[in-house]
Amino acid sequence: GESVGLHLPTLSVQEGDNSIINCAYSNSASDYFIWYKQESGKGPQFIIDIRSNMDKRQGQRVTVLLNKTVKHLSLQIAATQPGDSAVYFCAEKGGSEKLVFGKGTKLTVNP
Amino acid sequence: NAGVTQTPKFRILKIGQSMTLQCTQDMNHNYMYWYRQDPGMGLKLIYYSVGAGITDKGEVPNGYNVSRSTTEDFPLRLELAAPSQTSVYFCASSSTGKGSYEQYFGPGTRLTVT
Repeated sequence: GESVGLHLPTLSVQEGDNSIINCAYSNSASDYFIWYKQESGKGPQFIIDIRSNMDKRQGQRVTVLLNKTVKHLSLQIAATQPGDSAVYFCAEKGGSEKLVFGKGTKLTVNP
Repeated sequence: NAGVTQTPKFRILKIGQSMTLQCTQDMNHNYMYWYRQDPGMGLKLIYYSVGAGITDKGEVPNGYNVSRSTTEDFPLRLELAAPSQTSVYFCASSSTGKGSYEQYFGPGTRLTVT
């Protein structure tokens, strides 16, 4: 079945450093992946997505890398800021319209 | 656009009580979803709808019911509330046909059953 997992539940970085959040998936048929940011007490917010026919996509200060060989997804945040402190979720989409979410990684940015 | 709105923000229920969580979206999205999020966990799909009059079960549907009479509204009904239903509930919506499967989330309803 579909499953999405994360390598690390928490990540602590210094302000200004780059952050890398990792995600493993098990469904080789998944054709779409998405990253969400969830601040405390709020609903998840879209960060960036990537289709399975791509291996890299860049946004503003964020980059998503997809390695289909090892079924691994990562989110890179450049020059991490205190406002980036949140829980980050990856999600995958298989054959249906449904997204399957991972457990999340809590990112803490230290000033 | 207000996006996805949910009411109430907080609610405390006694065991056995019932309630309806309201969700409305003003983006004319055809897909709508209900998730629950337990502390320190990810989102689990309860029910979803691909359009008015069509609903289907997600991963954890037991103890819940939904209806979708209009495109805008997707209420979630809890019958006979149990402590295991203590959670934060998120409603989301999405549109198809644009190459993106981004779901737009509401602010959530924090429910405690005691």
